[in-house]
Amino acid sequence: EAGVAQSPRYKIIEKRQSVAFWCNPISGHATLYWYQQILGQGPKLLIQFQNNGVVDDSQLPKDRFSAERLKGVDSTLKIQPAKLEDSAVYLCASSLASRGGEQYFGPGTRLTVT
Amino acid sequence: GENVEQHPSTLSVQEGDSAVIKCTYSDSASNYFPWYKQELGKRPQLIIDIRSNVGEKKDQRIAVTLNKTAKHFSLHITETQPEDSAVYFCAAKSNTNAGKSTFGDGTTLTVKP
Repeated sequence: EAGVAQSPRYKIIEKRQSVAFWCNPISGHATLYWYQQILGQGPKLLIQFQNNGVVDDSQLPKDRFSAERLKGVDSTLKIQPAKLEDSAVYLCASSLASRGGEQYFGPGTRLTVT
Repeated sequence: GENVEQHPSTLSVQEGDSAVIKCTYSDSASNYFPWYKQELGKRPQLIIDIRSNVGEKKDQRIAVTLNKTAKHFSLHITETQPEDSAVYFCAAKSNTNAGKSTFGDGTTLTVKP
């Protein structure tokens, strides 16, 4: 079984620039999550999709972050414009079901904003 | 919303000793409690989980206990080995709120040979 795929693995941008991350979940997994993990902290949920619908985006800074999962499979997360404090690892995860199910994480994208 | 606190933030043990990491949560609707191990530069990987209808679960050297009344759960690693060195995260997943997971801030475990 292929795991969760993410790209790019690393990205360095200057503040005020834009960046996009891509995630391909495990085949058949209806639920997809984007997390932000700042160094020394646990993953923080940014947005959760159930198929192509958003079920939780309460911690997504909507003035600069956006995410979509148009066909209920792949997802993209965008930051525009980036700030220094956005430097973090962005983890994508997927699970079969939204409630009580194991999440499988991708390798993450390490973003550095200079 | 849910608040998960994890202690200690760092833990150093001698090889062969036991290690215990504790987490508390606030939302009584949480019913699924996974533990993840994250090695440096790698993705978090599930090592054990427990559901709210169970008090204890064991898998070889790893065990998790849950006290729903007190809203806390713990990870126990026995006979620690150097390869157990990593950051461990607990999480609590709600039965409501679309099954949102809230993570603790992690415990850096170092096992000295």
